Amino acid sequence: DTEVTQTPKHLVMGMTNKKSLKCEQHMGHRAMYWYKQKAKKPPELMFVYSYEKLSINESVPSRFSPECPNSSLLNLHLHALQPEDSALYLCASSQVDNYYEQYFGPGTRLTVT
Amino acid sequence: GQQVMQIPQYQHVQEGEDFTTYCNSSTTLSNIQWYKQRPGGHPVFLIQLVKSGEVKKQKRLTFQFGEAKKNSSLHITATQTTDVGTYFCAGRSGGYNKLIFGAGTRLAVHP
Repeated sequence: DTEVTQTPKHLVMGMTNKKSLKCEQHMGHRAMYWYKQKAKKPPELMFVYSYEKLSINESVPSRFSPECPNSSLLNLHLHALQPEDSALYLCASSQVDNYYEQYFGPGTRLTVT
Repeated sequence: GQQVMQIPQYQHVQEGEDFTTYCNSSTTLSNIQWYKQRPGGHPVFLIQLVKSGEVKKQKRLTFQFGEAKKNSSLHITATQTTDVGTYFCAGRSGGYNKLIFGAGTRLAVHP
């Protein structure tokens, strides 16, 4: 199984809402990533978890809160987002760290109204 | 900080023509990866290059890593409509524990 799954596929939320994005992989990968991708732009790294510990936070605003409950799951909790946060949020995983190829999930298309 | 520049930004070709995209890094890279993202899709890993001067082939795709490990290229021979998408390079240098993505090259193929 070389699949990374993400739910939901689409999400529309108001600026006062709280929501969560979920990501799951069963490849035994020990590194997991959150990326944000705007239209016609490359993926922009947000967070990296290595062995279930947060190893990189790319100075992401605190309205984004990552969580790694176990080695297969990765969540991104959203609160008080701004319209400019609307984007495709991609989860990825790799064997140990980013020296290895990353497997991306299909993404969650987020719209903040 | 580390930067990876990728050109061209956009290219459209007639089916059967060749296509090349280039990446250049401001620092020496420990490895470079290439990804393809179809319209409406997500990035899919194509290949990784690690050694200086390395050349790898996948059917009609040829990937090169420069001798100085600061540049890389992807060449597609005789493009097909299935090659449509955005091709990203992503490099990692020893001092940075993360991949830096190039801006991507969007390829359009006209039948």
